[in-house]
Amino acid sequence: NAGVMQNPRHLVRRRGQEARLRCSPMKGHSHVYWYRQLPEEGLKFMVYLQKENIIDESGMPKERFSAEFPKEGPSILRIQQVVRGDSAAYFCASSLRSSSNQPQHFGDGTRLSIL
Amino acid sequence: QKEVEQNSGPLSVPEGAIASLNCTYSDRGSQSFFWYRQYSGKSPELIMFIYSNGDKEDGRFTAQLNKASQYVSLLIRDSQPSDSATYLCAVNVGNFNKFYFGSGTKLNVKP
Repeated sequence: NAGVMQNPRHLVRRRGQEARLRCSPMKGHSHVYWYRQLPEEGLKFMVYLQKENIIDESGMPKERFSAEFPKEGPSILRIQQVVRGDSAAYFCASSLRSSSNQPQHFGDGTRLSIL
Repeated sequence: QKEVEQNSGPLSVPEGAIASLNCTYSDRGSQSFFWYRQYSGKSPELIMFIYSNGDKEDGRFTAQLNKASQYVSLLIRDSQPSDSATYLCAVNVGNFNKFYFGSGTKLNVKP
């Protein structure tokens, strides 16, 4: 499967725990984007990364959220000390280049539920 | 004002009719415009993208862009029940490939 791969598909955490969401971009893509989607809403941009670099994190909450895209391995979105309001679907997308006309291709998402 | 606005719907059309989905955006510097389809509980799937004023056709789908009016639309001809989904408009703003999404329009195609 050469598409964007996200895991896990579903993640349940208790308040105060940490959540780690993983994303492997499409083959050949080195640009990764994370979005959050609440029920009945559109996708909200969180962060844009290239290998080993955070390019734009203007959509990331200032606390508890972090993202990385190491030289080897998937991109990771980490949420520390989760709260009920973090419950959402988190989608990862990738593109071939960063120019403005590049489509983004999405993974199946991780549905995060906070108990 | 939201960067990208869509009517949430639902928009109901009979099978075989033309469905017209609309989207407006606020940033005049926006350069690229994308339509995604999202079935309930699934990931967004790219349908079309358009960069230049005018129409772009791909099978039953036509995207229309009017930069002067800051308006982009998606027409679906010969609508099928399988087209029933939420349609998301995405606009690229700025130098990087950062998308702003509308909240989506829910389309129901009735058999």
